[in-house]
Amino acid sequence: AQSVTQLGSHVSVSEGALVLLRCNYSSSVPPYLFWYVQYPNQGLQLLLKYTSAATLVKGINGFEAEFKKSETSFHLTKPSAHMSDAAEYFCAVRNQAGTALIFGKGTTLSVSS
Amino acid sequence: DTAVSQTPKYLVTQMGNDKSIKCEQNLGHDTMYWYKQDSKKFLKIMFSYNNKELIINETVPNRFSPKSPDKAHLNLHINSLELGDSAVYFCASSQDTGGTYEQYFGPGTRLTVT
Repeated sequence: AQSVTQLGSHVSVSEGALVLLRCNYSSSVPPYLFWYVQYPNQGLQLLLKYTSAATLVKGINGFEAEFKKSETSFHLTKPSAHMSDAAEYFCAVRNQAGTALIFGKGTTLSVSS
Repeated sequence: DTAVSQTPKYLVTQMGNDKSIKCEQNLGHDTMYWYKQDSKKFLKIMFSYNNKELIINETVPNRFSPKSPDKAHLNLHINSLELGDSAVYFCASSQDTGGTYEQYFGPGTRLTVT
């Protein structure tokens, strides 16, 4: 069965610093992987997706993620954090039946000035 | 234009009541979903509908029932509400046939049962 593990429930960075949010997945089939962001009291917004094309995926707001099959990882990065990046970030994998997303427990990103 | 909309945004009710949450998508997608986000922000799938047919039902109490009057709407009915039903409920949609499966989420409905 598919699963997602997000390492680190809370990540704190300074403005301008590198953002690295970790995600490892488990899947018995080639995975479809997604990163979503949730701002306070809002719904989830898609940041980027991996669907078996390029292993380095670029998303919105300067985020990107690299799919590494050998490490079963799909870590999210951004070269320079902005205060507006402070939010909850979720990694997700499409389930084997292709009928739903399985989410990780989320990582709260805090950005300090 | 809002892609996925939900009403109401907030819902406060007492135990034992019956309530409904409405969801509409104007993206022309063929699949819609309901997710529950608990107090620890964990998201879990409840239901999905593809072309008006229920695809999955993840160990959800039968007090919860999805109803889809057409492809653009998926409403959630909850009978005999319990304290443990308090959560944020998200509707989502995706284009699965010929699509890339990314899901688009509504703004959420915060349900509080007292």
